[in-house]
Amino acid sequence: NAGVTQTPKFQVLKTGQSMTLQCAQDMNHNSMYWYRQDPGMGLRLIYYSASEGTTDKGEVPNGYNVSRLNKREFSLRLESAAPSQTSVYFCASSLTRGAYEQYFGPGTRLTVT
Amino acid sequence: GENVEQHPSTLSVQEGDSAVIKCTYSDSASNYFPWYKQELGKGPQLIIDIRSNVGEKKDQRIAVTLNKTAKHFSLHITETQPEDSAVYFCAASLMEYGNKLVFGAGTILRVKS
Repeated sequence: NAGVTQTPKFQVLKTGQSMTLQCAQDMNHNSMYWYRQDPGMGLRLIYYSASEGTTDKGEVPNGYNVSRLNKREFSLRLESAAPSQTSVYFCASSLTRGAYEQYFGPGTRLTVT
Repeated sequence: GENVEQHPSTLSVQEGDSAVIKCTYSDSASNYFPWYKQELGKGPQLIIDIRSNVGEKKDQRIAVTLNKTAKHFSLHITETQPEDSAVYFCAASLMEYGNKLVFGAGTILRVKS
C-alpha cells in the first residue's frame, strides 16, 4: 500500500514553460486535493476534487488547472510557469467529503527561474 | 472566508517539558479543527482532530482544547521527546462544505535533549 504518490520529486522550470504534476492514491478515496506550501504561509488549497468527475477551485487557483483522470489520479498543470509559482506542492486524498483525515503525498519541490 | 492564525512560529522546549501551540479562527461557522505534524522532507500527517461539539480531546501525550466562544483552539504535548521535533499546523473547516481546510502558518517545535 503506497498511499499517495507524487511525481516528480523535484523540477526546475524556466518562466513560461508548462508542466504537469502527477498524483495517484491507492486507498480507494473519493476526494483529492492539491496544496502549495510556502515559507511562513502554511498550506494553501489550490484545487480539490470531491469525487471522480468533479473539480472545484480552492484558495489560490489562478495559474493552475487540474484533471481528475479517474478515481485514483489527480493531476495539476501549470500552463505558463511564473517565478511566483516556486513552491512545494502536495497532493492529498481523503475517504470522502467532510471531516475525514487527509493523507498527504511526499511533495514536489518546484523552482521557476 | 476563514482565516487561521497560529502562535508561536517557533517553540523550543527541553525534553520532558510541555509544549502548547495556539490557533485562532475567524469564521464562527467552522466546526472541524485538525492538527497536522510535518517532519522534514515529508508530507503533513494528522495527529489529532476535534469537532465543535467537543471541548477537549486526548490521545496519549497529546491533547486539543477548543473554546468556541473565543474562537481559539490549542494543541498540548506533554512529556516532550526529541521525536516530537517537527512543524505543526492547525487547520479549520466547515464539515458540511467538504474538507476544504484552511491552515495556520505553522509552528516549528524543537525539543532539546
